[in-house]
Amino acid sequence: GAGVSQSPRYKVAKRGQDVALRCDPISGHVSLFWYQQALGQGPEFLTYFQNEAQLDKSGLPSDRFFAERPEGSVSTLKIQRTQQEDSAVYLCASSLEGAGLGNTIYFGEGSWLTVV
Amino acid sequence: DAKTTQPPSMDCAEGRAANLPCNHSTISGNEYVYWYRQIHSQGPQYIIHGLKNNETNEMASLIITEDRKSSTLILPHATLRDTAVYYCIVRDDMRFGAGTRLTVKP
Repeated sequence: GAGVSQSPRYKVAKRGQDVALRCDPISGHVSLFWYQQALGQGPEFLTYFQNEAQLDKSGLPSDRFFAERPEGSVSTLKIQRTQQEDSAVYLCASSLEGAGLGNTIYFGEGSWLTVV
Repeated sequence: DAKTTQPPSMDCAEGRAANLPCNHSTISGNEYVYWYRQIHSQGPQYIIHGLKNNETNEMASLIITEDRKSSTLILPHATLRDTAVYYCIVRDDMRFGAGTRLTVKP
């Protein structure tokens, strides 16, 4: 596709429910990033993939958060047993090559998660 | 924590140049500086990036100091639609700070 696509755009989950958020990066993009953005805050880094390898997951806030990119293209961010503090916009970004090579990084429009 | 620091807010008159500073004193020699902006409810929009030399595109100019410890994003003729939160990030770090909320006033 023309850009980074995320789905669903909006999700309302009951506390304790599991959710899965999908990111379709730009075709051929090697690097993929996930961010969490709370209302009024800047995006907080969650995790980074280079192809299928998850090279940095230091930003995942707890073991309830899990991300995967099994074939090096589509990625899924899974949140288990959601809590109200998980309510945020989850942003996905991708770039053509690995970190440090000066390639443009493109963001999707985000998945808005509200936990009630 | 992010490697960058920015002022929390700035105002600019419509039609004037907006100069947004960013400090990145711990940047390493091969790290690019990227600028993004975010308008409410949208994903971050890429503006420009650079390594050592100054850069210009259709949206903005990027001035990087010789020691690379700081940079300035310049919007040459700000419009009301440029009102947004502007973020600078260092490529290998990819951590966002709080950004600068730019308000362009008529």
